[in-house]
Amino acid sequence: EPEVTQTPSHQVTQMGQEVILRCVPISNHLYFYWYRQILGQKVEFLVSFYNNEISEKSEIFDDQFSVERPDGSNFTLKIRSTKLEDSAMYFCASSEAGRATDTQYFGPGTRLTVL
Amino acid sequence: AQSVTQLDSHVSVSEGTPVLLRCNYSSSYSPSLFWYVQHPNKGLQLLLKYTSAATLVKGINGFEAEFKKSETSFHLTKPSAHMSDAAEYFCVVSGRGGGSYIPTFGRGTSLIVHP
Repeated sequence: EPEVTQTPSHQVTQMGQEVILRCVPISNHLYFYWYRQILGQKVEFLVSFYNNEISEKSEIFDDQFSVERPDGSNFTLKIRSTKLEDSAMYFCASSEAGRATDTQYFGPGTRLTVL
Repeated sequence: AQSVTQLDSHVSVSEGTPVLLRCNYSSSYSPSLFWYVQHPNKGLQLLLKYTSAATLVKGINGFEAEFKKSETSFHLTKPSAHMSDAAEYFCVVSGRGGGSYIPTFGRGTSLIVHP
């Protein structure tokens, strides 16, 4: 069964450093998403991406965040200058279409620790 | 606006006994509702979803959920718990028919299964 994969599984970085989290969505999916879950808190939507553009973004997704689909398979989340409060689990997801009824398939997550 | 409340942060059951994980939602539009499960070090896996067809939805691994509009609930049940059911469960609401399709997650319920 096709899966969403994410690398790395764990990332430790110093405050102020840039990090790139990588995701490989399911190959025939057209919509891609990033979520984060701060320890002990809810899973929160960050951004959705379709046709090489951001479709929607939350208020969390500020100028320090960016997303990119650099090639036909990868989907990345970049955090330009990490802060302590960026420490969280980051989940990538993909879906065939972008309707509310569509199932999103999630990757296993990347645990980001900012020191 | 939409929100999800998972009424229990932890539920503990004995193997072979019924499981009930409670979820209440609010949505300005007709909602789509999902239950996801997360096993340790794994991504979020869809258990089942409600998208306006039958109100009783059957999912994988013997789970089912009933959409009750009058009670704004979408509780997850299973007749007989198995040790492998121990995991984190997330109730998710996603608006449709004019509402934002951005899903809103509940805080999660940790299911503990005792031998």
